[in-house]
Order: sequence, then structure tokens, then C-alpha cells
Amino acid sequence: GGIITQTPKFLIGQEGQKLTLKCQQNFNHDTMYWYRQDSGKGLRLIYYSITENDLQKGDLSEGYDASREKKSSFSLTVTSAQKNEMAVFLCASRGSNTEVFFGKGTRLTVV
Amino acid sequence: GNSVTQMQGQVTLSEEEFLFINCTYSTTGYPTLFWYVQYPGEGPQLLLKVTTANNKGSSRGFEATYDKGTTSFHLQKASVQESDSAVYYCVLGSYQGGRALIFGTGTTVSVSP
Repeated sequence: GGIITQTPKFLIGQEGQKLTLKCQQNFNHDTMYWYRQDSGKGLRLIYYSITENDLQKGDLSEGYDASREKKSSFSLTVTSAQKNEMAVFLCASRGSNTEVFFGKGTRLTVV
Repeated sequence: GNSVTQMQGQVTLSEEEFLFINCTYSTTGYPTLFWYVQYPGEGPQLLLKVTTANNKGSSRGFEATYDKGTTSFHLQKASVQESDSAVYYCVLGSYQGGRALIFGTGTTVSVSP
């Protein structure tokens, strides 16, 4: 089996700060995703990547950048953190005919 | 467009009671539908999957049946345990957009002993 590792687990930032979240997978999956999870709103897609160096915007991409420099890693950058923002960011990956696997998430708080 | 609706935000039960979570979806074509479960501190994980080929899925005592006529995909379990306390998401598989999953808003199930 494989695993998806997200770092850091908790991230506290200041308003206006640029913050980077990291994700590593050892499934050797081609496709990776970043979702944002807010209470009562489910998971919403921010960015996805179908292969190394590919980036595609999801429904919630405004205010975020992403980077896929290696097949195994996918980073997400919050370009300017919003005050009182609080959410969990989930990274996921999928192989060619497999289910989607998720990491445990990074919990962001902006003060 | 593609969407999933879960109206129940919270369900509270006692052990051995019957669980039913309602879900409806909107899409064109023949969907693949999933239920994902998320335990505290964990990411969502696949509970079961249903395609139009088989109409019904089951796993760990949970069952889900897909009805194309009513575009519904309900989850049920005959007798819940305290360990079933979690958030349950109805999820639509997409053939576009990197085959990203489209999530409902989730139903928090709390089971007391």
C-alpha cells in the first residue's frame, strides 16, 4: 500500500502572508488534487494535476497557486492569507484505474 | 452541471438503530457514485462505489442503491455502532477535470452507546 503525507499538519499564518502547503505520495499515481474543506460546505476542488509539471484550475483556484515539479509531490500556495480564514486543505491522488486516496490534511488558521 | 445534494447536515442515533442518509445528484450520462467516510483527524476514505452496471453497492454493513429515475443514491445501515460515528459524503465521479470527485456537503453521524 501507499500513503499520502501532508506537511505541516497545522499552519498558523498572518493576514497577507504567503503560505505553502506540501503533499507527497508514494503510490506512483499520475493525478493529484488539492481540495479545501470548510465546515458545512464539503470538499471543493482548488487545483489538480494529471502529470508532472501539469496544472489545472478547479472551481476555487482564485487566491491560490500550485506546483507539481515531481510526480510524487504537489504543493499549494495561499498567495495572500485572509484574516479569520480557517479551513482544512486535503491532498489526494489517483492512479489510472484506482480509487482516490486522501491525506490527513493541513489545518490552516489565519490570525 | 454536475452536483450532489445532501440535505441532512447531522444525524443522531443510538446503537443498533437504523441509519438512512439521503443523497440526490445531477449529471448527464451514466454516473459513478461513491460514499466516502471521514473519521476525526483523518482524510476521507472510500466506503463504497456503485456504477450503473450494478446499481447497488455494499461494504462493512452499509448499502447504497442508485436510482436513475429519481437521481437518488441513499446510504443505509440496519444497525449502527458507536464506531460508525463519522462524516459521510455522497460523491459523484466525473469524467472531466482530471476525473476529480464532486462532493456533497456531508452528513455528520453521531452514534451514542
